[in-house]
Amino acid sequence: GQQVMQIPQYQHVQEGEDFTTYCNSSTTLSNIQWYKQRPGGHPVFLIQLVKSGEVKKQKRLTFQFGEAKKNSSLHITATQTTDVGTYFCADYAGNNRKLIWGLGTSLAVNP
Amino acid sequence: NAGVTQTPKFQVLKTGQSMTLQCAQDMNHNSMYWYRQDPGMGLRLIYYSASEGTTDKGEVPNGYNVSRLNKREFSLRLESAAPSQTSVYFCASAIVAKNIQYFGAGTRLSVL
Repeated sequence: GQQVMQIPQYQHVQEGEDFTTYCNSSTTLSNIQWYKQRPGGHPVFLIQLVKSGEVKKQKRLTFQFGEAKKNSSLHITATQTTDVGTYFCADYAGNNRKLIWGLGTSLAVNP
Repeated sequence: NAGVTQTPKFQVLKTGQSMTLQCAQDMNHNSMYWYRQDPGMGLRLIYYSASEGTTDKGEVPNGYNVSRLNKREFSLRLESAAPSQTSVYFCASAIVAKNIQYFGAGTRLSVL
């Protein structure tokens, strides 16, 4: 079945550095969603990308959907300690009510 | 507006004991989900209910049963708990059109 791969699995940065996580698939992605889970917390929806080449921004976060709809990325500019957590991507194919989840990228930020 | 409420928040069981995890949502969502989360394994779907009156298996259903009691409530039952079921369990709900999922705070379960 379809798989969604996320890289890297872990990332450790100094506060102020940039961070990028990638979500890849060998098959065409449909609707990519990004979620953030703080340590000890629950996943919280961030954004959904639907269109090929789509770029969306939320303050320091930039989300992109690849032109071929086989990858997506989340870029954080000038990380802060509040960015700590695990970032998940998930694909929604639409016809079975399920999300296909990546394993997540855990971000640690040194102050 | 409470969103998705899970009870209990923490639970310790002995091997072989049974228990039911409760989940309720007040957002009038049609779809509800049960996930388990283990270190390095991401979120794995146990069961889901696309609409009231229907339930379907996810990728790791063995050892679990579910009940969609009504539109608001979706419970997960462990009939005979095993140490391999030690995990954090999340319930989620979603509106059908976009399937943006809203999660409860989770139940941290230990089976000794």
